[in-house]
Amino acid sequence: GESVGLHLPTLSVQEGDNSIINCAYSNSASDYFIWYKQESGKGPQFIIDIRSNMDKRQGQRVTVLLNKTVKHLSLQIAATQPGDSAVYFCAESNNAGNMLTFGGGTRLMVKP
Amino acid sequence: NAGVMQNPRHLVRRRGQEARLRCSPVKGHSHVYWYRQLPEEGLKFMVYLQKENIIDESGMPKERFSAEFPKEGPSILRIQQVVRGDSAAYFCASSPGTRTGELFFGEGSRLTVL
Repeated sequence: GESVGLHLPTLSVQEGDNSIINCAYSNSASDYFIWYKQESGKGPQFIIDIRSNMDKRQGQRVTVLLNKTVKHLSLQIAATQPGDSAVYFCAESNNAGNMLTFGGGTRLMVKP
Repeated sequence: NAGVMQNPRHLVRRRGQEARLRCSPVKGHSHVYWYRQLPEEGLKFMVYLQKENIIDESGMPKERFSAEFPKEGPSILRIQQVVRGDSAAYFCASSPGTRTGELFFGEGSRLTVL
């Protein structure tokens, strides 16, 4: 079936470095993509989203890149901070209702 | 706090008992979604409801699980005759409409079945 998956389950970075979290999706009909951050014991928090008519979107310290040709999504975090340590999920929607299909998650660990 | 409210945050049940999880969406949101998360895994879609209607329940087991979103009051996810495999975090999310967009998540209800 259609799925969203991530390349790396765990990413360890030094504080102050940039982080890149990758995500592959297989549903070519997906038109909306979103990144969530989930801290331990909490619910997912919105980070940034992008629609399929764009290939890049920037927020505060975060950038999402979308490559529809290879069905790849990435989240870039600039100047990673200890507070960025969490599990990051990408999710996609194919406009069949509003449901999001989540990937398996990447744990980001920030070393001081 | 105008966010999604879930209760209870933690629930312990013995095998065979019933679990009821409640979700109050963001004020003004009429669309509710339930997701299930096992430890160290992603969120799996269970059911999508609008007021008084189930729109998509393709991710919900056919037996023992049911969901409702009445005209008045919170959405309820009910698990009857719980088994150990039902132990998980159950997250509720809401959205304002049908246009594809962000889902607002609650903090989850963590069910432990002894």
